[in-house]
Amino acid sequence: KAGVTQTPRYLIKTRGQQVTLSCSPISGHRSVSWYQQTPGQGLQFLFEYFSETQRNKGNFPGRFSGRQFSNSRSEMNVSTLELGDSALYLCASSPSGGGFDEQFFGPGTRLTVL
Amino acid sequence: AQRVTQPEKLLSVFKGAPVELKCNYSYSGSPELFWYVQYSRQRLQLLLRHISRESIKGFTADLNKGETSFHLKKPFAQEEDSAMYYCALSGSYGGATNKLIFGTGTLLAVQP
Repeated sequence: KAGVTQTPRYLIKTRGQQVTLSCSPISGHRSVSWYQQTPGQGLQFLFEYFSETQRNKGNFPGRFSGRQFSNSRSEMNVSTLELGDSALYLCASSPSGGGFDEQFFGPGTRLTVL
Repeated sequence: AQRVTQPEKLLSVFKGAPVELKCNYSYSGSPELFWYVQYSRQRLQLLLRHISRESIKGFTADLNKGETSFHLKKPFAQEEDSAMYYCALSGSYGGATNKLIFGTGTLLAVQP
C-alpha cells in the first residue's frame, strides 16, 4: 500500500504571497490531519478533515485554511504569507473517524518564506 | 489546558544501558497517549500507544494517571534506537477526533 504523499516537497515563497499544499492519504483512509513543525514551537496541530468536513481546528489564524475532497485528498492554503510561516508542514491520514487512531505521516512539505 | 511535556531535549546512553524517556501530560479527561518516533531521514511513525498495551522493539510505556505520566522505557538500548521520540496525547474534545498534541520531543542518542 502506498504511503501518504505530499506535494510539493519544497517550496520557496515571498512574504504576502499565498501557497497551496497537497496531501494524498493512504487509500481507504478518510481522516486527514495537518501539522506545522518548527524548531521553536515543535509539532502543532492545524486542522483535521473527515468525510470532507473540518472536524477540529488548532489555534492558527484564519490565513490558514484547508479542505478535503470526495476522494479524501486534502489541500491546505496559507494566504498572505509571513516569515514565521516558514516550517515543515506534515499531513497525516487515519483509517477511520473513531478517533484515537494511529496516524500515518507523510514526508512533509518544507515551506520557506523570504 | 492540554499539554504534553518532555523535559529532556537530549538523552545520551551507552549501548546496553536502560532507557527512560519521560513524558508528562495535562488533560482534563481520559486521554489516549502515544509515542511516535522519527528515525534519521524517515517519516514520523507510531511506536506504541497506551490502548494497545503492546511492547514494540522492546519498548514499553505505562500510563500513570496519578502522576499524569506516560514514560517510555527499554531495558537495554541498541544503537538502532537512536532517533527523535515524541510523546503525544489525543482527547475526545467532545467528539471523535484524531487531533494530536505533541511534546517537544527527546533525541535519544545511543553510543556504542
